Amino acid sequence: GAVVSQHPSWVICKSGTSVKIECRSLDFQATTMFWYRQFPKQSLMLMATSNEGSKATYEQGVEKDKFLINHASLTLSTLTVTSAHPEDSSFYICSAVARSGLGISTDTQYFGPGTRLTVL
Amino acid sequence: DQQVKQNSPSLSVQEGRISILNCDYTNSMFDYFLWYKKYPAEGPTFLISISSIKDKNEDGRFTVFLNKSAKHLSLHIVPSQPGDSAVYFCAASAGNSGYALNFGKGTSLLVTP
Repeated sequence: GAVVSQHPSWVICKSGTSVKIECRSLDFQATTMFWYRQFPKQSLMLMATSNEGSKATYEQGVEKDKFLINHASLTLSTLTVTSAHPEDSSFYICSAVARSGLGISTDTQYFGPGTRLTVL
Repeated sequence: DQQVKQNSPSLSVQEGRISILNCDYTNSMFDYFLWYKKYPAEGPTFLISISSIKDKNEDGRFTVFLNKSAKHLSLHIVPSQPGDSAVYFCAASAGNSGYALNFGKGTSLLVTP
């Protein structure tokens, strides 16, 4: 149990286009989802916290108008990179925290497999 | 600024020996610490955690030690196996794992036969 998927697993796009990345909790409902970004040989950096039905909370330095986050249901959060540029090329990882009462740990952050974005 | 630091980018250990991965943190509000294992182009996999009320937690071959006064934790893997070769990330939060995590830069562990 507690599986988190991401789609697509990798994407290549042209500069100036927008890319949507989906994060799904497959067998549990997630009250909170997090979006992280990892550059080569760097740590995972938190971008934003996404709560179902409310606006995402962005970390300092992350442009909310560029990285649009939608958490429309308890099993799906999307990250849209708008007007992508080469410097946005990175590995984007989401994680999900289970809602209480589902029989799996609600204190654990379950990570997706990540999405590799390359902007040409 | 990096609040969680892993100062050793890489570590090489012989199979069967002990691997010790170190992590330091600066934020005294952190009270929950985790270790993740990660392969390239994959998401992190949870290994073991420890809360600030403990100084040791053990799970099979993996043991995490926490020294709150020094703001230091370490992960011990005994005995090390070639399958342990991966990048290990230390993470910390103010709360439990359900809260936002601050990650270190990772330590690449290579276990040689």
